[in-house]
Amino acid sequence: DAGVIQSPRHEVTEMGQEVTLRCKPISGHNSLFWYRQTMMRGLELLIYFNNNVPIDDSGMPEDRFSAKMPNASFSTLKIQPSEPRDSAVYFCASSGPGETQYFGPGTRLLVL
Amino acid sequence: SQQGEEDPQALSIQEGENATMNCSYKTSINNLQWYRQNSGRGLVHLILIRSNEREKHSGRLRVTLDTSKKSSSLLITASRAADTASYFCATAFTSGTYKYIFGTGTRLKVLA
Repeated sequence: DAGVIQSPRHEVTEMGQEVTLRCKPISGHNSLFWYRQTMMRGLELLIYFNNNVPIDDSGMPEDRFSAKMPNASFSTLKIQPSEPRDSAVYFCASSGPGETQYFGPGTRLLVL
Repeated sequence: SQQGEEDPQALSIQEGENATMNCSYKTSINNLQWYRQNSGRGLVHLILIRSNEREKHSGRLRVTLDTSKKSSSLLITASRAADTASYFCATAFTSGTYKYIFGTGTRLKVLA
């Protein structure tokens, strides 16, 4: 299995631009998580889906952030418009019937 | 905040020594997991311990859980340079949910 796949791995953009991060979970996993990691705030859960349905989005910082999971094999996290304080590493993780989460390699986002 | 806090924040030891990291949390948990993160990479699951368990072993890892003190410890025995990484505890507060709150992490450096 290829593991959780995230793209792009690195993204540099200018303030105000739209950013879309993509995630392909491990096949057969029914839960998907989006996290953000910064030095100041650590690892924060933004949103998680179960069977493609958003279960808890209380960690989404503001309306500029949105996430979708149109099917079991794909999810997106969109930031529009982006701001410098959104600079962070964004991780996607998936889990199956068990509770172990499998993390992707992350997307390193820099907003100038 | 329900976030777990690891202690110490950073730890530096010689190869072959044991490393102990602690995690404290604030409210009752359903279970607790430990993850490792190598620099610039995603998190990797190490071990899960449930609230009705007191100790678990996996290879050179030993995890204990004291629910009365709301704390857990991770012991790595006979450490190796390859154990150099950050270690995080993650706590689930509700049964049947896959929502985990990650702690602030302990940065372990094992010197060869």
